[in-house]
Amino acid sequence: DTEVTQTPKHLVMGMTNKKSLKCEQHMGHRAMYWYKQKAKKPPELMFVYSYEKLSINESVPSRFSPECPNSSLLNLHLHALQPEDSALYLCASSQGPQGASGNTIYFGEGSWLTVV
Amino acid sequence: AQSVAQPEDQVNVAEGNPLTVKCTYSVSGNPYLFWYVQYPNRGLQFLLKYITGDNLVKGSYGFEAEFNKSQTSFHLKKPSALVSDSALYFCAVRGGNTGGFKTIFGAGTRLFVKA
Repeated sequence: DTEVTQTPKHLVMGMTNKKSLKCEQHMGHRAMYWYKQKAKKPPELMFVYSYEKLSINESVPSRFSPECPNSSLLNLHLHALQPEDSALYLCASSQGPQGASGNTIYFGEGSWLTVV
Repeated sequence: AQSVAQPEDQVNVAEGNPLTVKCTYSVSGNPYLFWYVQYPNRGLQFLLKYITGDNLVKGSYGFEAEFNKSQTSFHLKKPSALVSDSALYFCAVRGGNTGGFKTIFGAGTRLFVKA
């Protein structure tokens, strides 16, 4: 079973709403990630936090705003989203940053987001 | 640039038969290779990885994968398929030499195991 916990599992929001996705891991991992996944497609990297600092932003629109309050928590704040942003949002973590040896990335179960 | 290819969108196999899900990669330097499985409406689950050492890697649920450097392949295998193995499988690669070291995922292969 995954040790990366995501809430909520499902979220429906209007285009003018502000909501947040939350992620928590207690494996002592120092890198955390947000991925976006469309149906039957591979996950697409959005953000990477390494030692609680944003290290990678894959040119994600500013309507997505990540936050890493501490080494165990990762949030994704959502505002003024578009219907095409509807997807499965996956949080993940690894022991260290991706570039360090063969660290495995462990995924949560995801948050299904529907923008109406 | 690094890349990974899963040449088959779908693999069909009968229960009890061996299965192979193919993956080829392109990286600079030594690769780190991973297989993940995704069941419907679930996140990705880690199956196994190759870092160094033995070319045959054993993982969860009876899966194994063989690293072949000359063919730049990392095919996923299982001697006897189960209906419950039906899922979406992703191969992923991370390059050892290039800057960034991002993990690149293949397009995915859907495995159907028929009873």
